[in-house]
Amino acid sequence: EIVLTQSPATLSLSPGERATFSCRASQSISNYLAWYQQKPGQAPRLLIHDASNRATGIPARFSGSGSGTDFTLTISSLEPEDFAVYYCQQRSNWPQTFGQGTKLEIK
Amino acid sequence: QVQLAESGGGLVKPGGSLRLSCTASGFTFSGYYMSWIRQAPGKGLEWVSYIGRNSNYINYADSVKGRFTISRDNAKNSLYLQMNSLRAEDTAVYYCARDFDSDLLTGYFDYWGQGTLVTVSS
Repeated sequence: EIVLTQSPATLSLSPGERATFSCRASQSISNYLAWYQQKPGQAPRLLIHDASNRATGIPARFSGSGSGTDFTLTISSLEPEDFAVYYCQQRSNWPQTFGQGTKLEIK
Repeated sequence: QVQLAESGGGLVKPGGSLRLSCTASGFTFSGYYMSWIRQAPGKGLEWVSYIGRNSNYINYADSVKGRFTISRDNAKNSLYLQMNSLRAEDTAVYYCARDFDSDLLTGYFDYWGQGTLVTVSS
């Protein structure tokens, strides 16, 4: 099973700042990585698939990059509604697995 | 618009059974792979099972294999999860989720329900 390790566990930033999330895979997963956003009491929302492709309706301030074992999600300028937990997920090998999440909190 | 609505969660004793349902609307249900994904309280996400468009492909996480059974009824736009021999570690919110692409199994999930809570406790 592929393990995804996200860092940091918590990110404290202010609106308008740039947010960078890291996800590292225990073995190469090519570009088969997605990012999700989850707000309290809500279901996850797909942001990025295949490492760098924004899902339908996702604002351009969200971008993804990486391949192999190291991946990054960037939010270029934080909006108040962006404060949430972010998960990465791989679908290269079954079972598909998720990272443990990074909480983005308001500083 | 695409909507997924889970039901059937509740409190059950260890060793007991529960059947979850997910009713879909707003898209051609029969055209998509569907999955169950769970989230233990305060924890991360764990994929549980998927089922192909015509129930031809089915797979389970090792943690539930032999205890859970996924099924679907395309005529009723419904997805099910029969959970037997439940354990405390099965306590979680269970989400049904649509696979990202019609026709293919991508392993990404673009629409999720709001989830139903299953609590396994004596």
